[in-house]
Amino acid sequence: KAGVTQTPRYLIKTRGQQVTLSCSPISGHRSVSWYQQTPGQGLQFLFEYFSETQRNKGNFPGRFSGRQFSNSRSEMNVSTLELGDSALYLCATSSGSYNFEQFFGPGTRLTVL
Amino acid sequence: AQTVTQSQPEMSVQEAETVTLSCTYDTSENNYYLFWYKQPPSRQMILVIRQEAYKQQNATENRFSVNFQKAAKSFSLKISDSQLGDTAMYFCAFISGSARQLTFGSGTQLTVLP
Repeated sequence: KAGVTQTPRYLIKTRGQQVTLSCSPISGHRSVSWYQQTPGQGLQFLFEYFSETQRNKGNFPGRFSGRQFSNSRSEMNVSTLELGDSALYLCATSSGSYNFEQFFGPGTRLTVL
Repeated sequence: AQTVTQSQPEMSVQEAETVTLSCTYDTSENNYYLFWYKQPPSRQMILVIRQEAYKQQNATENRFSVNFQKAAKSFSLKISDSQLGDTAMYFCAFISGSARQLTFGSGTQLTVLP
């Protein structure tokens, strides 16, 4: 099985811009979760999607949003970028049922200048 | 809210020796899972081992094993016969049946010395 893929791998944006990141899950996985990793805050949960519905949300401002498509691929969007949004954004997928094991993609490194 | 604590920011071990990484957690849930993830310099998060809270038997995966003490809310990782490729950041993580989100510890940077 192919693993979790994330695109793009690297992004450089300027303050005020918006960005869209994409995640394609392992075949058969219906749950997609997003995490932000920074040196200061560590790994923090953003949100989880299952069957095109947001099932859980972390403590992030409304500038962070996401969606999931019928093929389980997910996108996350960050609007009005701030310097503090510079981070590694990790996507993790699971079957979404009673299997809680999550498999991670390689991440998207976002740098905001 | 669940919390996960890793009190060892950095550790080192000689190649072929054994090392134990500590993790404690706090939760009021009964149905949960615990994981150890490894993040090498490539930043790819790799699942090392998992433990279901309802299982009393400690999980083992080749050179990796855990010591799960449910009453003490402790979940340590033992790496035997350490190899250079084990050098990485190790994260302890918790997920409950109700929250369905991983809560991570702050990580332990393990360096295996030749």
